[in-house]
Amino acid sequence: DVVVTQSSLSLPVTLGQPASISCRSSQSLVHSDGNTYVNWFQQRPGQSPRRLLYEVSKRDSGVPDRFSGSGSGTDFTLKISRVEAEDVGVYYCMQATHRPLTFGQGTKLEIK
Amino acid sequence: EVQLVESGGGLLQPGGSLRLSCAASGFTFSNYWMHWVRQDPGKGLMSVSQMNGDGSDSFSADSVKGRFTISRDNAKNTVYLQMNSLRAEDTAVYYCARGSSPEAGIDFWGQGTLVTVSS
Repeated sequence: DVVVTQSSLSLPVTLGQPASISCRSSQSLVHSDGNTYVNWFQQRPGQSPRRLLYEVSKRDSGVPDRFSGSGSGTDFTLKISRVEAEDVGVYYCMQATHRPLTFGQGTKLEIK
Repeated sequence: EVQLVESGGGLLQPGGSLRLSCAASGFTFSNYWMHWVRQDPGKGLMSVSQMNGDGSDSFSADSVKGRFTISRDNAKNTVYLQMNSLRAEDTAVYYCARGSSPEAGIDFWGQGTLVTVSS
């Protein structure tokens, strides 16, 4: 299975400041069709996960534009341009290029 | 409005069996892959099983192969997870989720149902 590793388990951030979460995979996530299937999810306390981004950088409907994704191959990043209080939660990356789907261990974003 | 509502979780002893159900609404169920993903506080999120729209293709994690079976009834807009020979390490919140294709991954999650395996 593809191992997905998020570099930080915890990320304290000051309100209004940017945040960045890194995700690395054990093998390339470029699919044979040329696309890269990386999703990012937000899980707020007590809630189920919600998808924010798909195919590395495409935002889901209703997701604020302060969330952005980038990366290629094996290295990916989720960025929040200005953290708001509602962004508190755990963020997961997931690869869907290879079966089975595999997830990073999660990064808990908290307010300083 | 898309909805996925899981049911069937509970407390049971090691070696027991349980069937989880997930009732879908708000979208054309047969057009979507359906997934079961579990969340263990100690180990994060893990894909358990997935099945395509017409039920002809499925995939399960090695740790549950031979014990868990995913199935679906498109007439009832419901996906199931039959869990047999349960172990303590299967204790988790089990989420039902959907995806438009295997590569699209997951685009919507249910609220989850808790399965606790303990003697």
